[in-house]
Parts: sequence; C-alpha cells; structure tokens
Amino acid sequence: EVQLLESGGGLGEPGGSLRLSCAASGFTFSNYAMTWVRQAPGKALEWVSGIGNSGGDTYYADSVKGRFTISRDNSKNTLYLQVNSLRVEDTAIYYCTRGAGVRVPAALLEVWGQGTLVTVSS
Amino acid sequence: EIVLTQSPGTLSLSPGERATLSCRASQIVSYNYLGWYQQKPGQAPRLLVYGASLRATGIPDRFSGSGSGTDFTLTISRLEPEDSAVYYCQQYDRSPLTFGGGTKVEIK
Repeated sequence: EVQLLESGGGLGEPGGSLRLSCAASGFTFSNYAMTWVRQAPGKALEWVSGIGNSGGDTYYADSVKGRFTISRDNSKNTLYLQVNSLRVEDTAIYYCTRGAGVRVPAALLEVWGQGTLVTVSS
Repeated sequence: EIVLTQSPGTLSLSPGERATLSCRASQIVSYNYLGWYQQKPGQAPRLLVYGASLRATGIPDRFSGSGSGTDFTLTISRLEPEDSAVYYCQQYDRSPLTFGGGTKVEIK
C-alpha cells in the first residue's frame, strides 16, 4: 500500500525552527518528485515547495523562499522540510504529497499524507 | 501565476440531485493539466479527476470532469451523503502550482 506519513509538527515560536519529515512506503521513492502543500485553519490549499526525484531541483513559493528548505534522502525513503524564521502565518497543516511522476514543481498530486500540524505562537 | 476561481462557494443539495462545480482559470491551462480533489472534514485531500476529465483510480463514475482552456467543471451526477466535502481544482500546467479557493458541497 502506498503511504506517506508526516511527523515533526508542533508548537513553534515566532522566529523559531522546526523540521518536518515524511516517510514514504509502498512505492519506489526515488522515481517520484515530491511536494509540500499546506492548509491554514479554515483556508484553501497552498503549494509550499517541490523537489525533483533525485533531489537536485528544488522550488519554493515566494511566501517561504529563503526560510524553508526542502530535501530528501532516497536511501531512507524520506522527504524533509526545514522551516526556519517561523511566522504566525505559517500556522497550518503541512501535507506531504507524491507527484504523478518526475515533473516538478507543477505536478499532479496523486498521493497525500495525513498531514502534520504546525502552530506558531508565542 | 494562474489564478483559479471556483464557484459557487457553497452548494446545498439533496441526495440524488446533480451538483455542478465550476473552476475558471485566469490563463489558458495547457494540455488540460487540471485536477480536482475532494477533502472531507479532518481528512487529507483525495485526487478525483486529472487531465480535466480522467477519473483517478477507484473514483465512482458519478464523478465526471469536463472543460478546456480556462473553463472547467466537476459534475457529481447523483449526490450521495458521503459526497459532503470541499472540492478543490488545481492546475499543474505551470509553476507555481495553484489551487482554487474551493467549493463546499452540503447534503441537505
């Protein structure tokens, strides 16, 4: 069964950092581009960042550029999102998603994890 | 960036009725790279339709997508109680990947 399992969310202070992880299983992780999408409480979905299947290509939304870093470890079947300089407006559920193939950053999001909640508050 | 505008914001219908959801793009979406997702409360989104009109694996045939260019539609032919959800369109033609604001479907 194809699965994505996020972890690492929690309460962070403004200006602080968190590291989100996404463990993938049930498919050949290194064959797919991956994407992070977030959803603020009661709001629509928002693309955050994408990474190519080999990890060489990374892309960011303007709202997180310079603060967030996406990476992957294909030997561990794991996707990461390092979130620095947290802002209150970063409060959201962060979803790990798998693209339909290697295309990134504009990708069809075939598989979604259940999400991890990041709350930024002092 | 391609801005996607969904309408109506909320649709309230009875079981068995037909639901028609609209997604309008600010620019042409090439190759019909337009998807629809269903999100139920407390759950992650689920892919329903891709390529504007192709149903994803396991999606009932009461869900159908249509359209091209800048105007796209998701139709639920005979609503069932479990179809109560928010539906989002998303374009994957060009970066940045963008979503519409969503249409909430309520079952009376």
